[in-house]
Order: sequence, then C-alpha cells, then structure tokens
Amino acid sequence: GQNIDQPTEMTATEGAIVQINCTYQTSGFNGLFWYQQHAGEAPTFLSYNVLDGLEEKGRFSSFLSRSKGYSYLLLKELQMKDSASYLCAFMDSNYQLIWGAGTKLIIKP
Amino acid sequence: IAGITQAPTSQILAAGRRMTLRCTQDMRHNAMYWYRQDLGLGLRLIHYSNTAGTTGKGEVPDGYSVSRANTDDFPLTLASAVPSQTSVYFCASSLNSGSTDTQYFGPGTRLTVL
Repeated sequence: GQNIDQPTEMTATEGAIVQINCTYQTSGFNGLFWYQQHAGEAPTFLSYNVLDGLEEKGRFSSFLSRSKGYSYLLLKELQMKDSASYLCAFMDSNYQLIWGAGTKLIIKP
Repeated sequence: IAGITQAPTSQILAAGRRMTLRCTQDMRHNAMYWYRQDLGLGLRLIHYSNTAGTTGKGEVPDGYSVSRANTDDFPLTLASAVPSQTSVYFCASSLNSGSTDTQYFGPGTRLTVL
C-alpha cells in the first residue's frame, strides 16, 4: 500500500532552524513535493526532489533519501511569516500526488 | 494574470441541495484537479482532467461530478449535498498530467452542508 506521515505540529523560535520530517511508503515513486499553506489560504509550491540529496533554495532546503523513504524540509533563520502548515506529498506511479496531513509550524518570538 | 480563481469563496448549503463550485484558470494548463481538505487529513483527490473533454475519478469521487468543456473551466457539482461533504475544496492545475509538473492551487471554497 501507500502511506505518508509527518508530524502534526512543531514549535520553533524566531531566528532558529527547524527540520520537518516526512516518511513515505510506495511501490511507485516519481518525486516528492513540499508545499507551504498559510491558514485559510491555498497551498503554494516550495520544492521538488526526485534524486537523493539536498536541494537548497534560499532559507529553505529539502532533502530526499529514496532508499529510506524519507524527506525533510529545513527552514533557516526563521521568521514570523514562516508560521504555516507544511505539506509533503509524493507522486506515485500514476503521477498522482499522495498528500500528508501537514505539519503546523508555530514560530515564537 | 489571475492564475486560478474559484467561486464562491464560501457557502452554507442545506442537505439535499445541488451545488456547483466554479474553477477557472488562465495559464493554459492542460491538467486540472479538484481536492478536498479536511482537518487531520491530507488533501484528497476527487476528480481530475488531463485535457479538455476528458475527466477521471480520483480517490474520493462519490457524490461529485465534473465536466471539462474547455481548457479554462473545470466546475465541480454536488448533485445532492450531504453533511459529510462539508470541507474546503481546492481546484488546482498543472501544465500537463502524467508528468512531474507542479500543481498550482486556487484560493479554495469553504463549503458547509447542514
């Protein structure tokens, strides 16, 4: 079967670094996406990984290990505006996205 | 450029009523999708369309229908709404289906069925 899991909620301090983990199981894999969703708004695209390793994009980085079924999103120099839910999703063999329930990130001053 | 628009923004509906959620994109994307988002659950695919004139069923299609008469519009219809259809509905589009093209989301419709 297919499943995907991420923590429900995390808390971090402004200016710090936080890592949000995502684990998945699937027989067919076409990459892993991370989206950001502010409360009451639409999800917006952050990153896509299909090869193992780290992809850096400004303050945000995303890592993938296909053999371990594991990804993480790393947020550096946290700002209050980073308070949001972070959704991970893998693309299955039919090119459909299977979504995690999202991790709500709370940033404290 | 608006991207993807959805209407209405929110709606309260009596059970048994018919409702159509509208979705329009101006990016000339071939593929469009309807998801529902419920607390504690990931986004779940209701229906999708790979190109104008074609539609397909997603993970949770029961009670919903869609049409794709042209590239821009992809309405979602609830023929006879039930309380379990209370949710936030997101329309999304991507350049092509069957690829790793990024999906872009509309602002959502918050639907309450009483």
